Amino acid sequence: ETGVTQTPRHLVMGMTNKKSLKCEQHLGHNAMYWYKQSAKKPLELMFVYSLEERVENNSVPSRFSPECPNSSHLFLHLHTLQPEDSALYLCASSQTGTYYGYTFGSGTRLTVV
Amino acid sequence: DQQVKQNSPSLSVQEGRISILNCDYTNSMFDYFLWYKKYPAEGPTFLISISSIKDKNEDGRFTVFLNKSAKHLSLHIVPSQPGDSAVYFCAAYSTSGTYKYIFGTGTRLKVLA
Repeated sequence: ETGVTQTPRHLVMGMTNKKSLKCEQHLGHNAMYWYKQSAKKPLELMFVYSLEERVENNSVPSRFSPECPNSSHLFLHLHTLQPEDSALYLCASSQTGTYYGYTFGSGTRLTVV
Repeated sequence: DQQVKQNSPSLSVQEGRISILNCDYTNSMFDYFLWYKKYPAEGPTFLISISSIKDKNEDGRFTVFLNKSAKHLSLHIVPSQPGDSAVYFCAAYSTSGTYKYIFGTGTRLKVLA
C-alpha cells in the first residue's frame, strides 16, 4: 500500500453508537491531519498531529476524539454524534518544513442517523 | 476570519475554452501556494504550486499566476476538458509560521462538452 489509506470508505452510525475512523500513511511523513468537509463549506481543519503529539485542536466538540499511536497511524474516535456531523472526513499527511503540501486519503463518508 | 478566499463557488466553461479560477489571501506572510483538485468521494490531489519568489508557474495545460501586491493568485486551464470538472481548492502556507496549509472554500468547475 502506498500513500494515505482511510478506512472505512463509508460509515452509517446512529447517534448513540461508538465508531472509529482509521488513517494510515506509508510516506514517512511526520505530521498527520484530520479535516472535515461538509457540503458548501471549506475544508475545516480539526486536528493536527506532529511527531505523534497533538499540536492543534480547532475547537472540535469532545464527541470527536483523535488518537495518534505512531507517526504512521491516526484514528478519529466518534461517540454520540449528531446528524450535522455527517460529512466527508479526510485524513492527510505531510513532512513539516517542506513545500510538498499534503497527501490526502480518499476520505470516509460519514452519515449519522 | 478567512485568510484564503475563493469568491466564486462555481464556474461553467465550454470545452476547449480557458478556465480561470481565482483565489485571494489576506496574510502577507504566506509564501507558498498550491492548487488541489477534488473529485466527488475522493480526497483532494495536488495539482500545481507556486512560490512567492515567482509570479508564474506552468505545467502542461495548467498555469498558476501570483500577484503578491494584490494578494491574488489564479489558476488557468487551457484548453479545458470535461475531465477537469471538479472542485478546485487553493491553499496557502507560511514558511515562518505553523506547518499547516490554509485552504480556501473551493470552486466547482464544470466543463461543458
